[in-house]
Amino acid sequence: GAVVSQHPSWVICKSGTSVKIECRSLDFQATTMFWYRQFPKQSLMLMATSNEGSKATYEQGVEKDKFLINHASLTLSTLTVTSAHPEDSSFYICSALIAGRTYNEQFFGPGTRLTVL
Amino acid sequence: GESVGLHLPTLSVQEGDNSIINCAYSNSASDYFIWYKQESGKGPQFIIDIRSNMDKRQGQRVTVLLNKTVKHLSLQIAATQPGDSAVYFCAENSGYSTLTFGKGTMLLVSP
Repeated sequence: GAVVSQHPSWVICKSGTSVKIECRSLDFQATTMFWYRQFPKQSLMLMATSNEGSKATYEQGVEKDKFLINHASLTLSTLTVTSAHPEDSSFYICSALIAGRTYNEQFFGPGTRLTVL
Repeated sequence: GESVGLHLPTLSVQEGDNSIINCAYSNSASDYFIWYKQESGKGPQFIIDIRSNMDKRQGQRVTVLLNKTVKHLSLQIAATQPGDSAVYFCAENSGYSTLTFGKGTMLLVSP
């Protein structure tokens, strides 16, 4: 149980285009999902917290107009990188929180590799 | 949590050795800690967790030790195998939903 999927697993796009990444909880409902970015040989950096039915909470330094997050259902959150540039190339990872757990156990997706040419 | 560095510390061991990976955390209010394993090109995989009211927890071939006095966490892997080669991250939770990840350690296991 507690499987999180991401789609696509990798994407290559041209500079200036927008890319949408999906994060799905397959066998549980997730009121809260998280989006992380990871550059090579670095740690995961939290970008934003996505709550179902409400606006996402962005971490300091993350542009909310550039990284659009939508959490329209209890099993799906999407991250759209708008007007992508080469510096946005990174590994994007989502995680989902199981509602009702005493401690905050996050389940991670397999990640999406974004390459912007 | 730790600041993010540009280079991962690396621990190289021989197959069959025991491995110890260390992590320092900075938030004394953190009450839940997790170790994750991340293989190349994949998302983090849960290994073991520990609550702040414990100082040791054992799993299958892994043990996590927590020293709240010096804010230190360690992961011990017994009889390390080539399949254990990966990057290992500690993460801390300070009571809110978010996790703060440490900078990670790359474990290289030679046959």
